Amino acid sequence: DAGITQSPRHKVTETGTPVTLRCHQTENHRYMYWYRQDPGHGLRLIHYSYGVKDTDKGEVSDGYSVSRSKTEDFLLTLESATSSQTSVYFCAISDSPGEGGQPQHFGDGTRLSIL
Amino acid sequence: GEDVEQSLFLSVREGDSSVINCTYTDSSSTYLYWYKQEPGAGLQLLTYIFSNMDMKQDQRLTVLLNKKDKHLSLRIADTQTGDSAIYFCAETPLNDYKLSFGAGTTVTVRA
Repeated sequence: DAGITQSPRHKVTETGTPVTLRCHQTENHRYMYWYRQDPGHGLRLIHYSYGVKDTDKGEVSDGYSVSRSKTEDFLLTLESATSSQTSVYFCAISDSPGEGGQPQHFGDGTRLSIL
Repeated sequence: GEDVEQSLFLSVREGDSSVINCTYTDSSSTYLYWYKQEPGAGLQLLTYIFSNMDMKQDQRLTVLLNKKDKHLSLRIADTQTGDSAIYFCAETPLNDYKLSFGAGTTVTVRA
């Protein structure tokens, strides 16, 4: 399995509080991604990073911010959590595209509940 | 973005073959992936195929690609109880990094 660690694995918090999820990789891959998984929607991309301090928005980025200060760490922050952000969040990593498909490898996920 | 569609549920008897279907819309060269998700776990890459291939086989798994109809299938031979999971089809264009996922097919293996 790819060396990807997500923390925390579970979190329950209240509406309006800030929340930060962490993804740590040991593969030295350039690309890192944050997805959310909701029933009936598959996985939807929130933000991604293509290098240290290089990030961009995905399809469902509203209400989320990210930071990448080191190759191995990619943080996802909910500045003021809302109940609609209750979801399972997955981090993924991949090497540079264009060579042999470069599939994304996923962490085990963080289950976030916002009450 | 590209659309990827899958049927939502499949029930199969243990020992039979399972066939999970997927359709996609991107007409350019593309990579197509199959991931497996067991309860409470992340997505595990099963296999992938480039759009210039028709078939790929890996042990009990066979991927078939019909480029004309933009149809992808995953066949699992001799289905076991451990194959019960959600299976996701995904695609990405060549030299791109963004994956487009289907909603996932829940496979239930019955005795």
